[in-house]
Amino acid sequence: GQQLNQSPQSMFIQEGEDVSMNCTSSSIFNTWLWYKQDPGEGPVLLIALYKAGELTSNGRLTAQFGITRKDSFLNISASIPSDVGIYFCAGQLGNTDKLIFGTGTRLQVFP
Amino acid sequence: DAGVIQSPRHEVTEMGQEVTLRCKPISGHDYLFWYRQTMMRGLELLIYFNNNVPIDDSGMPEDRFSAKMPNASFSTLKIQPSEPRDSAVYFCASSFFSWGTGELFFGEGSRLTVL
Repeated sequence: GQQLNQSPQSMFIQEGEDVSMNCTSSSIFNTWLWYKQDPGEGPVLLIALYKAGELTSNGRLTAQFGITRKDSFLNISASIPSDVGIYFCAGQLGNTDKLIFGTGTRLQVFP
Repeated sequence: DAGVIQSPRHEVTEMGQEVTLRCKPISGHDYLFWYRQTMMRGLELLIYFNNNVPIDDSGMPEDRFSAKMPNASFSTLKIQPSEPRDSAVYFCASSFFSWGTGELFFGEGSRLTVL
């Protein structure tokens, strides 16, 4: 099946550091989304990207939709303890309604 | 406004037993999705409905799994008979438009353990 390769798998950083994670695929996606999952909760949407090349910010978060439509990255600036969680990229395949999730990046922030 | 409501939050059962998971989507949302999350396979789409009609069930693992949406405010995911490999967190999510134009709102999940 379709796969989204998300990296890194996990990150351990100190409070205040910037974080970068990305997603790549061999398939073209129409939409890229980034979700965050807190322990014991369902994923929550952080940022949605709808056009190739689009760069969108949401507070300390910045995400970009790759020009080739096969990749996306998420940056978090000046991390804080509440950024801890699992971050998932998700992509909608062209001409379908299927939303494929990446394998997740587990972020741990130390004070 | 209440979010997506799932029940039970936790279920422990023995192999061979029937399991029924329940979901109440957000009122007014016309799409409903069932996902399964495991460490090995991540978040997998099992099935989704549009206006109570199943659109794509290609992610349902096998005939032991079935899902229904008898009305706009209720859906069930049933596993019969259950097996240990079905142990996972099952999420229900709903949205107003298909995910290309809207966002998915997830419930808190139902953690299933099959012994």
